Amino acid sequence: DAGVTQSPTHLIKTRGQHVTLRCSPISGHKSVSWYQQVLGQGPQFIFQYYEKEERGRGNFPDRFSARQFPNYSSELNVNALLLGDSALYLCASSSLAGGETQYFGPGTRLLVL
Amino acid sequence: QKEVEQDPGPLSVPEGAIVSLNCTYSNSAFQYFMWYRQYSRKGPELLMYTYSSGNKEDGRFTAQVDKSSKYISLFIRDSQPSDSATYLCAMSAMYSGGGADGLTFGKGTHLIIQP
Repeated sequence: DAGVTQSPTHLIKTRGQHVTLRCSPISGHKSVSWYQQVLGQGPQFIFQYYEKEERGRGNFPDRFSARQFPNYSSELNVNALLLGDSALYLCASSSLAGGETQYFGPGTRLLVL
Repeated sequence: QKEVEQDPGPLSVPEGAIVSLNCTYSNSAFQYFMWYRQYSRKGPELLMYTYSSGNKEDGRFTAQVDKSSKYISLFIRDSQPSDSATYLCAMSAMYSGGGADGLTFGKGTHLIIQP
């Protein structure tokens, strides 16, 4: 079975632009979470979605938004990009809404110039 | 004080040694404890998952949780050069139905196993 997949793998944007990152969870998993990992730090929680509803949100500005589709795939959108948004964006899937056992994808590496 | 503290290392040990990795935390609501391994420029890979206090063993890996001390450990026996990676501890509170807070991670410990 395929694990969590993310696209694109790498992305370069300039300040002020908008970006959309995509994630497909493990087959049968209904929960998707998004994390931001800055170099040298652990991942930081951005959002969790379960059954297409937002179930949790971390301490990120409103420039960050997400949604989950009927097939449980998800998009993370970031508006008005800042240099500080440069990071590895990770998607994790789990079968439960609590998300305790989360399986991560390879990530999308975003560079903002 | 951060919710989860983890020494970033690097920790360098010779091949075959027993490795001990640790995290401390401050939030007594944490009930689920995980260890992830992350190779450079890759996504984290789940190694061990423990609920509440106690020990769990899986092959060369042993995870320990001491909730009274708010301290968790990962032991790696017979360490191999392929174990060289960053090890992240992660934890979460029990889901109450009112919303999920996601996983809270430590910074990660960079481990180097010298051949």
